[in-house]
Amino acid sequence: GAVVSQHPSRVICKSGTSVKIECRSLDFQATTMFWYRQFPKKSLMLMATSNEGSKATYEQGVEKDKFLINHASLTLSTLTVTSAHPEDSSFYICSARWQGLSEQYFGPGTRLTVT
Amino acid sequence: DAKTTQPPSMDCAEGRAANLPCNHSTISGNEYVYWYRQIHSQGPQYIIHGLKNNETNEMASLIITEDRKSSTLILPHATLRDTAVYYCIVRVAHLSGTYKYIFGTGTRLKVLA
Repeated sequence: GAVVSQHPSRVICKSGTSVKIECRSLDFQATTMFWYRQFPKKSLMLMATSNEGSKATYEQGVEKDKFLINHASLTLSTLTVTSAHPEDSSFYICSARWQGLSEQYFGPGTRLTVT
Repeated sequence: DAKTTQPPSMDCAEGRAANLPCNHSTISGNEYVYWYRQIHSQGPQYIIHGLKNNETNEMASLIITEDRKSSTLILPHATLRDTAVYYCIVRVAHLSGTYKYIFGTGTRLKVLA
């Protein structure tokens, strides 16, 4: 099956700093990538959708200036959490799909802790 | 925005079939049903999807009612490694020109030895 990786798997940062999370499709070209957020014991909530070379489309209630998404190539998307605060602590998961498949393939997730 | 309803938890004996129900009474005619599972602190794993016909693959079977208002995921012979949270998802058209998933709240399946 298609493989999606995320880096880092865990990150701890201080309040006020920015942190970047990478999402890579390893064996296919991802025309679309998605970023989700998951709180403990809760379901996944879509944050934004990005098509390669285009600006990301953010879901209602997600601050685009706080969660910067870049999808510069067909195998890489990045999520930057700017000026992080403790309430941004969460599990961030990306997924990717290519035009030939209908399903999304998910990365292993990144646990962000803001102190 | 919720499109699916699932029971919060279920138990199943090892070796028996696990039947996980999902209600999606507001689903539209061109919206697919997807099932994924998530083992603790990992990314969701694709299981199966369908539109209106029943589907089967090496992992599971998906039974969709004729009116498409509900479906059941069947794991034919559950093993301890099938213990996970199972998400029933409706795929809807998205502003970006692609499709997005709307996740349900999930069913925590525990397979008992």
